[in-house]
Formats: sequence, structure tokens, C-alpha cells
Amino acid sequence: GQQLNQSPQSMFIQEGEDVSMNCTSSSIFNTWLWYKQDPGEGPVLLIALYKAGELTSNGRLTAQFGITRKDSFLNISASIPSDVGIYFCAGLISNFGNEKLTFGTGTRLTIIP
Amino acid sequence: ETGVTQSPTHLIKTRGQQVTLRCSSQSGHNTVSWYQQALGQGPQFIFQYYREEENGRGNFPPRFSGLQFPNYSSELNVNALELDDSALYLCASSLKQALGEQYFGPGTRLTVT
Repeated sequence: GQQLNQSPQSMFIQEGEDVSMNCTSSSIFNTWLWYKQDPGEGPVLLIALYKAGELTSNGRLTAQFGITRKDSFLNISASIPSDVGIYFCAGLISNFGNEKLTFGTGTRLTIIP
Repeated sequence: ETGVTQSPTHLIKTRGQQVTLRCSSQSGHNTVSWYQQALGQGPQFIFQYYREEENGRGNFPPRFSGLQFPNYSSELNVNALELDDSALYLCASSLKQALGEQYFGPGTRLTVT
């Protein structure tokens, strides 16, 4: 099945560093979402974006909906140990009441002691 | 307010068998979506249910079927299990009008031997 392209695939950073990851698609989406998944858990919604160009923050997290509606980025400032996990972008297409969420390939974030 | 719950947590089945996975929606949510997440991949959309009817389907064969009940809980049934069906199966609930804001359960880990 289709998956969105996320980069980087993995990141190794030190605590306190800022993080930036992005997601691109060949298709246009109505909504972009960012999720975080911890081992053995389901994805947890971090940020939802509804309009092209929209910039939204949630604490230390900031995400933007690309102008072309084909991309989005997520920034994490001043990383802390609990930020470790896998981050997924997801794009939503809604046609005539049918909704389909397409996920990215994920970015694995590791914090080096 | 209770979150999304899924049962069982883990399951081991033999190729050719049938399996039923269960999901209870977050309180107040009327839409349920099911996803398959293979190891190291992002979740893949299987189908969505709204008002007890299928409301969109991904690229999965007919042996993947579902039900939604009047209390908005849901089941995912998979017939004639194949080895490649081994994955984490995730259920997500949402309000129909809150496009994209899907809240995930912890998943059921299915192993097919």
C-alpha cells in the first residue's frame, strides 16, 4: 500500500538538541497529522493541521502544513528523554464522506546519553 | 472518559485459521478505523466503519471483514490466515466531523505460524 516518504529514517541526537523531520507525498491531502508511537503502544496524536500554510504548536512541538498540500514538517525543540520513539506523519483524504488516513514510513528518534 | 481499548493483547494462530479482534471506541466517538502495522512500517488503512456501515476500504482482500455495533464498538475478522498477516492490528476511533483526529488503541499483536 501507499506510504508517505518521511525523512530522516532515523535520528541520533543529544538531549537538549532541536529536531526537525519532514514528510512528502505525490498526492494532495486535506489534513496532515503527526503521531508518536512508543514500543508496544498505539500511535498518539500530537498535532493536526487543516489548512495549507498552517503553522501549529503543541508545547515544544511545531508542525506546518505545506503550501502545496503535499508536505509537512515537525520540529521538536530542546529534546528530552521522553521524546524517544517513532514519529509518523499521516495525510487524510476525505471524499464524499469516505476518509482514508495514509501514514508515513516513520522517523525513529534516539537520544544519546 | 475512557480511551480506545482492544482485545486480546496478543494472539497466536495457525495458517488457514480465522481470527476475530475487538475494539471499544473512546467514549462519544462514532467512527472506527482499523489498521495493519507490519514490523518497521507505518500503519496501513484496512477499513473504516461509521453508523455500522463500511465507510471506506484500503487495499486489503475480502477475507478482511468487519462489523460495527450500535454502541460503536467494532470487530475485525480475518479468514484463511496467511503468514503475512502477522502484524500489529490497530483500532482508532474518532468523531465523524473531526476529520483525521483519530485516537488509537494499544493494538493486538497477531502472530500466524
